[in-house]
Amino acid sequence: DAKTTQPPSMDCAEGRAANLPCNHSTISGNEYVYWYRQIHSQGPQYIIHGLKNNETNEMASLIITEDRKSSTLILPHATLRDTAVYYCIVRRSYNTDKLIFGTGTRLQVFP
Amino acid sequence: EAGVVQSPRYKIIEKKQPVAFWCNPISGHNTLYWYRQNLGQGPELLIRYENEEAVDDSQLPKDRFSAERLKGVDSTLKIQPAELGDSAVYLCASSLDKNIQYFGAGTRLSVL
Repeated sequence: DAKTTQPPSMDCAEGRAANLPCNHSTISGNEYVYWYRQIHSQGPQYIIHGLKNNETNEMASLIITEDRKSSTLILPHATLRDTAVYYCIVRRSYNTDKLIFGTGTRLQVFP
Repeated sequence: EAGVVQSPRYKIIEKKQPVAFWCNPISGHNTLYWYRQNLGQGPELLIRYENEEAVDDSQLPKDRFSAERLKGVDSTLKIQPAELGDSAVYLCASSLDKNIQYFGAGTRLSVL
């Protein structure tokens, strides 16, 4: 599975959009980009995933560059409850099953 | 719908003692995972079950760790004997289709 690189920490003002970048320059054509987050003292929580196209759900939007070497997770209106560690994971296919977590980005949303 | 339930939430033991963690996955989820998360790191997979069969236990330290999933539902992870380096959060997750994994809150183990 391709390796990902994320900034260790970011800040965001409440109500503003939080844009979390992820580099995955060695991604292969059949590898998906997954995002999970982990709020303090809780287990990781699935957010969104995609292959090539941009994706949006009730939690976030995922923007994948055309060359697929990087992506951005967007929380459109961050709240204090979005403070968490966000993990970007590249995965060969969901059938291979394994999630390999890095150290993620610690997002701090401030009032 | 209830999520993945783990117990206990916290456990403090002395080194060389045994310890066990219990996980009840989401109803109907055939796939169950155990992860270990060291402080400041992301979770690392220890073992994966498909129903009652362990299909990936390559990262499980088999000299002291064991796991079981009787009847393909609940699972128990055991450490015997525990070492200082085993202090971590042990997370259980389950999945219906192996696409999205749902995690429990974890058990925080402190070995003194």
